[in-house]
Amino acid sequence: ILNVEQSPQSLHVQEGDSTNFTCSFPSSNFYALHWYRWETAKSPEALFVMTLNGDEKKKGRISATLNTKEGYSYLYIKGSQPEDSATYLCAFGNFNKFYFGSGTKLNVKP
Amino acid sequence: DSGVTQTPKHLITATGQRVTLRCSPRSGDLSVYWYQQSLDQGLQFLIQYYNGEERAKGNILERFSAQQFPDLHSELNLSSLELGDSALYFCASSASGTDNNEQFFGPGTRLTVL
Repeated sequence: ILNVEQSPQSLHVQEGDSTNFTCSFPSSNFYALHWYRWETAKSPEALFVMTLNGDEKKKGRISATLNTKEGYSYLYIKGSQPEDSATYLCAFGNFNKFYFGSGTKLNVKP
Repeated sequence: DSGVTQTPKHLITATGQRVTLRCSPRSGDLSVYWYQQSLDQGLQFLIQYYNGEERAKGNILERFSAQQFPDLHSELNLSSLELGDSALYFCASSASGTDNNEQFFGPGTRLTVL
């Protein structure tokens, strides 16, 4: 079983703050790193799939970077809004098996 | 709406029973994944199918089995149910089932074992 860790476990920010969180994964045999946004009572929604070292992806105010050599990915949210409140999950893909972190729960206060 | 459908939404059953969860992938997707979300654990990968064939197996108990049919829908069978099997079961689909393929999650089936 591969270990995927996310930090922090939870985060409370004010509307307008920028924030970031970390996903750590094994640096050997890297294939893909997925980020998901998971709102309460809904199902996970794909944000990014990252495959190359140095990858940077952006979707609106959310962006992510990838460092496969040291085994981490950062997710950034610029100017957080209350609708960004959700749990952000990362998943390490390895030989068609997926290993999920426990998520970072973000709460954005208006 | 991801385009992935799962039935039933909720299922309540007793220990020792057997249940079947059903998943229909997005139109055009060939691969189906099953995941389990228990109260005290994160999302756990159970099994992946691609075009009817099993492709990868995760932490799936021997009491659980799955299959993908020619029309690409998939079923997850859970037998000899225990209290600890109570969880949210998600199905996801992707186009080609490789690690770098985006996955689309269904709404989940909540299983309660009493």
